[in-house]
Amino acid sequence: DIQMTQSPSSVSASVGDRVTITCRASQGVSSWLAWYQQKPGKAPNLLIYAASSLQSGVPSRFSGSGSGTDFTLSISGLQPDDFATYYCQQAKSYPYTFGQGTKLEIK
Amino acid sequence: QITLKESGPTLVKPTQTLTLTCTFSGFSLSTSEEAVGWIRQPPGEALEWLALIYWHDEKRYNPSLNNRLTITKDTSKNQVVLTVTNMDPVDTATYYCAHRRGGYFDYWGQGTLVTVSA
Repeated sequence: DIQMTQSPSSVSASVGDRVTITCRASQGVSSWLAWYQQKPGKAPNLLIYAASSLQSGVPSRFSGSGSGTDFTLSISGLQPDDFATYYCQQAKSYPYTFGQGTKLEIK
Repeated sequence: QITLKESGPTLVKPTQTLTLTCTFSGFSLSTSEEAVGWIRQPPGEALEWLALIYWHDEKRYNPSLNNRLTITKDTSKNQVVLTVTNMDPVDTATYYCAHRRGGYFDYWGQGTLVTVSA
């Protein structure tokens, strides 16, 4: 299985800040990577797919980059609605695997 | 507009078999390239992909569940069913079904919490 490791596990930031979350795959996944946002008690919401493509309806302050084993999710100009947990997911091979999550908290 | 909704028991006993149904609308599982998956999330933990079924009935499972999973579809009813045998308290989780597009899950159900307890 491909292991996905996110860092940090949690991060504190203020409204208006720029935040970067990293996801590392245990083996290359090319660009087969997605990012999801999850709020408490809710289903995950797809933000980024194919490493850098913005899902329809997602604000442009979200961006993704990377390929192979190292990926980043960046959020610029944090809004109150962005404080949530973020997960990466690889879709290169079965079983699909998710990272352990990064909780973005208000400072 | 694509929507999905999970249904099934909220409480099962250890060793029992769990059967969950995903009822969806806005697409057809008889259409090429369509697929539906199941993902679960234990309380306070990360997401875990369980299974996937394609329009042409190809099925994929997470081997970590040791052959306990079965996924089927009923195209006429727009439903996908997941069964999990030999349930254990560690299987307590919110179970989600989701529409898969190109490897990614772009629409999700609201999830259903299943508790395993005697």
